[in-house]
Amino acid sequence: AQKITQTQPGMFVQEKEAVTLDCTYDTSDQSYGLFWYKQPSSGEMIFLIYQGSYDEQNATEGRYSLNFQKARKSANLVISASQLGDSAMYFCAMILTDSSYKLIFGSGTRLLVRP
Amino acid sequence: GAGVSQTPSNKVTEKGKYVELRCDPISGHTALYWYRQSLGQGPEFLIYFQGTGAADDSGLPNDRFFAVRPEGSVSTLKIQRTERGDSAVYLCASSRPGTGGTDTQYFGPGTRLTVL
Repeated sequence: AQKITQTQPGMFVQEKEAVTLDCTYDTSDQSYGLFWYKQPSSGEMIFLIYQGSYDEQNATEGRYSLNFQKARKSANLVISASQLGDSAMYFCAMILTDSSYKLIFGSGTRLLVRP
Repeated sequence: GAGVSQTPSNKVTEKGKYVELRCDPISGHTALYWYRQSLGQGPEFLIYFQGTGAADDSGLPNDRFFAVRPEGSVSTLKIQRTERGDSAVYLCASSRPGTGGTDTQYFGPGTRLTVL
């Protein structure tokens, strides 16, 4: 069965430092996509970054980068130069691109940025 | 442009009542999704529309839940005989035309449903 695992319920990081949020996934499909979303206290899910299973290079979007290690089935999110506004819940999600259009989410990691 | 909008933002109802939750997707997005997020968990898929038809409703928990999208734009999630366990945030997302597999899903702010 397809599954996303986020083992860090909560993380702290000092402002301006980098932080890595862990995500591992389980699927036997060869074609899939991995997403990270941010959910502030307002509740809206904000798209951050996407990585396709066939992409050879790690995805980057501004201060966000995705450390994709296919053999280990991990897709960790790296946030560089943390800002106070980065404090939020972060969700890793997977989509199976050949069979379904639904996102499968992990349980999330709550990030708190300390001033 | 405008993002996904959902109304109402909050809905409080009594056990056994009927509720309707509305989603207005991003203009031009043909794919529309409903998810349910319980407290402290990640969202769980409910149903997916491509155009007017429900392409995948495998996530609907039981026959009390139903969703429509009659004109291929606005969608309504309908819950009959609500139960306390239905209390959650209901999220709607849409994505642009295409194969759908890798199209990014953009979410609305959600409707927080509380069943007393």
